[in-house]
Amino acid sequence: GQQVMQIPQYQHVQEGEDFTTYCNSSTTLSNIQWYKQRPGGHPVFLIQLVKSGEVKKQKRLTFQFGEAKKNSSLHITATQTTDVGTYFCARGGSNYKLTFGKGTLLTVNP
Amino acid sequence: DAMVIQNPRYQVTQFGKPVTLSCSQTLNHNVMYWYQQKSSQAPKLLFHYYDKDFNNEADTPDNFQSRRPNTSFCFLDIRSPGLGDAAMYLCATSRAGAQSDTQYFGPGTRLTVL
Repeated sequence: GQQVMQIPQYQHVQEGEDFTTYCNSSTTLSNIQWYKQRPGGHPVFLIQLVKSGEVKKQKRLTFQFGEAKKNSSLHITATQTTDVGTYFCARGGSNYKLTFGKGTLLTVNP
Repeated sequence: DAMVIQNPRYQVTQFGKPVTLSCSQTLNHNVMYWYQQKSSQAPKLLFHYYDKDFNNEADTPDNFQSRRPNTSFCFLDIRSPGLGDAAMYLCATSRAGAQSDTQYFGPGTRLTVL
């Protein structure tokens, strides 16, 4: 399947700092999904973006879909220790499949 | 609560000894997926079922097989586990109302190969 590139691979922040992870594709995305996986846990769906330029918020989390539908970002404002985990973007494709990015591991120093 | 259940949560097997992992769902979803996830990596799709239709990924080794006897259950059979097959195996489901619906993951089975 077609790749989605996700950066950074790792991010360590002090509690209260902001955090952003980016997802990029060389081709237009029909949609992008974001998942969070806590250490030792399983991926949990956060949100799906479909429309060009779409911005969605969930409390301290802000999700954006680029105007060209080739990139997306997840921004966390004022991180907390509960935000620790790996954040994956995933592109929707044909045949009900998702292609996951490699993920960004967020660690938060209390 | 509707959910995706995987058993066992931890499985230890010996090199070459067949092992079966199970997944059940109460969501009544059409699609069930099996992923392999190794440490610090993204989940890698092995195969999925749309109802009874089996869809294998091109790079999934023949050593991995799957069965879906009914809507609720799906099994992953590893015929001759190698050391490289040690990983977390994740089952997921989706409703298939659209081509890329939300996927709901089970807690996973961590497989150790001795």
